[in-house]
Amino acid sequence: EIVMTQSPATLSVSPGERATLSCRASQSVSRNLAWYHQKPGQAPRLLIYGASTRAAAVPDRFSGSGSGTEFTLTISSLQSEDFAVYYCQQYSNWPPYTFGQGTNLEI
Amino acid sequence: QVQLQESGPGLVKPSETLSLACTVSGGSVISDTFCWNWIRQPPGKRLEWIGYIHHSGSTNYNPSLKSRVTISVDTSKNQFSLKLTSVTAADTAVYFCARGYYDGSGHPPGEWGQGTLVTVSS
Repeated sequence: EIVMTQSPATLSVSPGERATLSCRASQSVSRNLAWYHQKPGQAPRLLIYGASTRAAAVPDRFSGSGSGTEFTLTISSLQSEDFAVYYCQQYSNWPPYTFGQGTNLEI
Repeated sequence: QVQLQESGPGLVKPSETLSLACTVSGGSVISDTFCWNWIRQPPGKRLEWIGYIHHSGSTNYNPSLKSRVTISVDTSKNQFSLKLTSVTAADTAVYFCARGYYDGSGHPPGEWGQGTLVTVSS
């Protein structure tokens, strides 16, 4: 099973600033990597798939990059609605799909 | 736009079977394009994919849960269901149903239900 590791565990950023989140896979997942965010009491929302393709209706301030084992999610100018927990997920070597442990993006 | 809604008991006793249903609206479970996933999240822990089903009957399960899991589809109700046997406290989690693309390769689930908390306790 591929283990996904995210860093940092918590990231404190001010509104309007840039945030950079990292995700590492225990072995190559090519570009089969997705990013979600989740607000308390809500379901995760798919933001990015294929490492860099934005899902429908996702603002262009969200961008993903990377391949193989190292991936990055960048939020260019944080809005209040962006403060949430962010998860990465690999869907390259499955079953099972596996998720990272999350990064809590806080104000 | 498709919507998914989980339903089922919020409390299950240890050693019993957890049973949940996911009702799909705004779309059909009889779709060649999509598969229907279950994912769970124990309190304070990461998401864990349980498995999926395609209306053709094709299923794929997490190997760590495979011996205890059955996912089925009920086309008459436009629902799909999860059964997890011999539950323990470790199965306490928020359970989500979700839709993903199906073409034989992996795809991240794109549309999710709101989730339902299931607690395993006597």
